[in-house]
Amino acid sequence: DTGVSQNPRHKITKRGQNVTFRCDPISEHNRLYWYRQTLGQGPEFLTYFQNEAQLEKSRLLSDRFSAERPKGSFSTLEIQRTEQGDSAMYLCASSLGSGGPQEQYFGPGTRLTVT
Amino acid sequence: AQSVTQLGSHVSVSEGALVLLRCNYSSSVPPYLFWYVQYPNQGLQLLLKYTSAATLVKGINGFEAEFKKSETSFHLTKPSAHMSDAAEYFCAVSDGTGGYQKVTFGTGTKLQVIP
Repeated sequence: DTGVSQNPRHKITKRGQNVTFRCDPISEHNRLYWYRQTLGQGPEFLTYFQNEAQLEKSRLLSDRFSAERPKGSFSTLEIQRTEQGDSAMYLCASSLGSGGPQEQYFGPGTRLTVT
Repeated sequence: AQSVTQLGSHVSVSEGALVLLRCNYSSSVPPYLFWYVQYPNQGLQLLLKYTSAATLVKGINGFEAEFKKSETSFHLTKPSAHMSDAAEYFCAVSDGTGGYQKVTFGTGTKLQVIP
C-alpha cells in the first residue's frame, strides 16, 4: 500500500489551455473524492465517486471541469479553458466502506498555476 | 447546511505548553466530526474522528478532542506541545446524509511551536 498518489505534482499552464490531473487511490478503496484548496482556505469538496459512478458534484464544479473514474480505479480531473481563478491545489482522497463517512486518505495534491 | 468555524487562523504555543485549537460546528443532524493535520507539501492526515460514540475522542500523536453538543464544539487539545506538532490543522464536519460522503472543512489553524 503506497497511499494515494497524484500526478503531476505541479502544473503551470497558460490561460485558456486544458489540463488533466490524475489520481491513483489506495487499491482497494471504492470511494474517491476531489477537493480544491486555495491559499488560506480549507479543502473545498468538488466531486465524489463510488466505484465508477460519480454520485455528487459541487456547484463549484463548473462545466469547464469534468471528472472520470473509468473502471472504478484511477480518476482524472480535466479543466478546460483554464482561468487564473483556477489556480489552486487540487487534492484527491480515497476511502473504503459503506454507510457513514469513513476516514479519507489524501494524496499530496497537484498545484496548478494558471498564468 | 453543515459548516465548521475555526477560531484563530494562527496559534502560537511554547514547546511543552498546552495546545488548544478551537472548532465550532453547525449541522442539522447529529454530525460526524474530524480533525486533520497537514504538514507542508503533504496531504492531509486524519488525527481523530467523532462518530457518536464516546464524546472524548483520542487520536494519534497524543491529540484528543471532546464533542460538546450543548456548545456545538469539537476543540482539539494536546497536553504538551512538541516541535513536530507545527503544522496546519483542519476541523471538518459531515452530516452523513444523502448517501454520499461530503465533508466540509474549516479554514484551518496554523500551529507554531516556539522552542
